[in-house]
Amino acid sequence: GAGVSQSPSNKVTEKGKDVELRCDPISGHTALYWYRQSLGQGLEFLIYFQGNSAPDKSGLPSDRFSAERTGGSVSTLTIQRTQQEDSAVYLCASSPGDRGLKQDFGPGTRLTVT
Amino acid sequence: GQQLNQSPQSMFIQEGEDVSMNCTSSSIFNTWLWYKQDPGEGPVLLIALYKAGELTSNGRLTAQFGITRKDSFLNISASIPSDVGIYFCAGQRGNQGAQKLVFGQGTRLTINP
Repeated sequence: GAGVSQSPSNKVTEKGKDVELRCDPISGHTALYWYRQSLGQGLEFLIYFQGNSAPDKSGLPSDRFSAERTGGSVSTLTIQRTQQEDSAVYLCASSPGDRGLKQDFGPGTRLTVT
Repeated sequence: GQQLNQSPQSMFIQEGEDVSMNCTSSSIFNTWLWYKQDPGEGPVLLIALYKAGELTSNGRLTAQFGITRKDSFLNISASIPSDVGIYFCAGQRGNQGAQKLVFGQGTRLTINP
């Protein structure tokens, strides 16, 4: 079946602009996670959703970052007034929810802020 | 920030050699996982460890969950070219419901033919 998909695959934006990153989880997966991967680094947790609510937003780096999920499916990560340090690969994962271990990852969105 | 220390950061080996990498933490994790990431793709789960002391194999891969629940290692035997990539350990504190993963910095494996 279809895996986790993310769009766009690449995004180049000017410093100060807002960007929206989209994640389509695996159908039926109730939990959705956002991670950030800087060049040569491991993945850094940002936020996760159980259904449409976000029990843990502890990883969001600043109030410029926000995320929402609607209909228990698609999620959007929004970065306002982008800065150069926001440049990274943003990865989305989903899981059945009852067992967060089985997180299936999407291919990521590579964001470059110039 | 990162709480898992993964080593080595990179490895350069000959095809056919065995590989060993490990991960340590200053705090306890109830679940340890090992992922592999190929360029331009998201990580793919290789092995999941649920119990302290557990030793689990998946083909040429073997991983162990440390007794103290603060460390884990991954071994790859008889390496082949498709083993090239970045390997990440990850820990999860709980074992029920949705849980975030804490990742190590990764081990980049390069194989010389």
